[in-house]
Parts: sequence; structure tokens; C-alpha cells
Amino acid sequence: SQQGEEDPQALSIQEGENATMNCSYKTSINNLQWYRQNSGRGLVHLILIRSNEREKHSGRLRVTLDTSKKSSSLLITASRAADTASYFCATTNSGNTPLVFGKGTRLSVIA
Amino acid sequence: KAGVTQTPRYLIKTRGQQVTLSCSPISGHRSVSWYQQTPGQGLQFLFEYFSETQRNKGNFPGRFSGRQFSNSRSEMNVSTLELGDSALYLCASSGAMGANSYEQYFGPGTRLTVT
Repeated sequence: SQQGEEDPQALSIQEGENATMNCSYKTSINNLQWYRQNSGRGLVHLILIRSNEREKHSGRLRVTLDTSKKSSSLLITASRAADTASYFCATTNSGNTPLVFGKGTRLSVIA
Repeated sequence: KAGVTQTPRYLIKTRGQQVTLSCSPISGHRSVSWYQQTPGQGLQFLFEYFSETQRNKGNFPGRFSGRQFSNSRSEMNVSTLELGDSALYLCASSGAMGANSYEQYFGPGTRLTVT
């Protein structure tokens, strides 16, 4: 069963705008990760945030984590057409348990 | 470093047949995980192998099995294929002992179609 639920399911924006995707989860976590998947291909790891962290940055990506609300957000600034992809959050609640993925947000960036 | 490779990339099988998919992890990675991705169920964890031992198993029937070899390469097998087994099967490797505390590196996937 899915642990994370992304919101919205689909998002369409113009190039240059910011894109925000949200993820909610149900149980306590060790860390939360965001992945990107281009149409029908493998996933690419974007960023990992640990449960004791509140915010992380990587290039144009900003991730926040609110463990009290069991939620995370991924912000992509100054989006590009190449950012068009599905974005998944994934959580794990200990060092040796499997990652559990949400169903993803489909982002379309229109040039 | 070469990435995770999966073979074959595409496969068409008939109901009732069996299939074996192969995954070669990044050199030095000892953990290999398998996922099934379908439009309806999303990404679902199948199993994880670490040093030739199955360390975690998802909620799939016994028709789904896997193994890992001493060189960390892994195979998964699906017997008595059903139409619902049509999916993208993804393999991911990780280098850490607590594999899922760290990022996973995914292969391109094997697209299995069961007719």
C-alpha cells in the first residue's frame, strides 16, 4: 500500500514559473526522498531529507519536511521544459526497511 | 561508474508462461531492490537482496521470486504469468548497509507485456 500521497496528481505550468508538489505520509519516518521519472523510464534520485531536518536545497530544488504534519513539499524554481516528468516521494521508517513510494505528481512545463 | 543495467528492456509473454528478468547493480553496490510499476497501483516494492540474502519482501504472491548472485547481480522470476503482471519492472541498487536510508539508483526498467 502507498505510504506517501502526492498532491496535486497533475500540474501544468509555464516555463520560468515555480512548481510546488506536496507529499503526505502516514507513519513515522527515518527519511523522505524525492525522485523524478521521465516517461516510462527509471527513477532518478533528487534529494533526501532526514526526519531531524526541516529544509534542504539542491540547485533549483527546495524540500521542506514537517514531521508534525507528516508532510513534505518539493519546490522547483524557474522551471524548464526539461523538468517535465513525474515526481515521487518515498519514505522509509528505518535503516533496513523498504522505500514506500507515493503515486506521484505529473508535472508538465510548457515552453 | 556504469549505471544499473536491466535486461531485457522489453518482453512480450503469453499467459501461463514464466519470465526471468536480470539486473546488474552499480559496481560495489551490494543491495538490489525490485519494484513493479503499473498505472493503477503505482510503484510497489517486490523484494530486496543484500549479500545474496533476501532481506525484505513485499506483498506479492509466491509466483514472484528472486535471487542474488555473489557478484551482486540479481534476477527475478515470475511464473505462471497473468495479464495483471504486465508492468514496468524496475531494479535499484544501493551501496549502504542500511540500504534504504540512502538513495537508490534505478535501472531503465524492463517493460513486460503479458498477452
